[in-house]
Amino acid sequence: TQLLEQSPQFLSIQEGENLTVYCNSSSVFSSLQWYRQEPGEGPVLLVTVVTGGEVKKLKRLTFQFGDARKDSSLHITAAQPGDTGLYLCAVGRRALTFGSGTRLQVQP
Amino acid sequence: DAGVIQSPRHEVTEMGQEVTLRCKPISGHDYLFWYRQTMMRGLELLIYFNNNVPIDDSGMPEDRFSAKMPNASFSTLKIQPSEPRDSAVYFCASSLEREGLYRIGTDTQYFGPGTRLTVL
Repeated sequence: TQLLEQSPQFLSIQEGENLTVYCNSSSVFSSLQWYRQEPGEGPVLLVTVVTGGEVKKLKRLTFQFGDARKDSSLHITAAQPGDTGLYLCAVGRRALTFGSGTRLQVQP
Repeated sequence: DAGVIQSPRHEVTEMGQEVTLRCKPISGHDYLFWYRQTMMRGLELLIYFNNNVPIDDSGMPEDRFSAKMPNASFSTLKIQPSEPRDSAVYFCASSLEREGLYRIGTDTQYFGPGTRLTVL
């Protein structure tokens, strides 16, 4: 059983649409990170959330940490082709445990 | 800074051969991590070092895998003998531990571009 369950696994949308991806667990975490990985590259950190209920915004991306610190969501407004990639949530104080990821394809 | 550097970027080898993957972390970083990514298992930790000392190698699949960090600017991951099931993308990442008041959450890990290994 995966520590972090991400959904959906795949998402293909048109440019301009909104979307939300989820990262869920039955465990409580002191912090959670979101990474984006583009083809042929390593993951790049987008955000770290540390407080239950916390909301962080990064341009068109909105990240929320659940009140109980067991889950998180990533909402993208008006998706663009440049948002295409694999979105991974991760937990861990040193070494990271990653979710299985959501693969997003934004069609122009 | 050049970021984390990995070599080679691609490696194709035959079953039974020895494979050595190389990593140069970001200068000044005190943690180095090796991860492996496959479609079936996703991105998973193999081993990590702190100040060149291995801290947790519980993710290393078996004795065929070994990792070293002889100095702060270089690490290797060796597979001997290699098997087709070792085919994957291997990532190296490094981070710097923040101390005191700045120690909130998880330190940022910076990943290299990965080495795509194919074992025939």
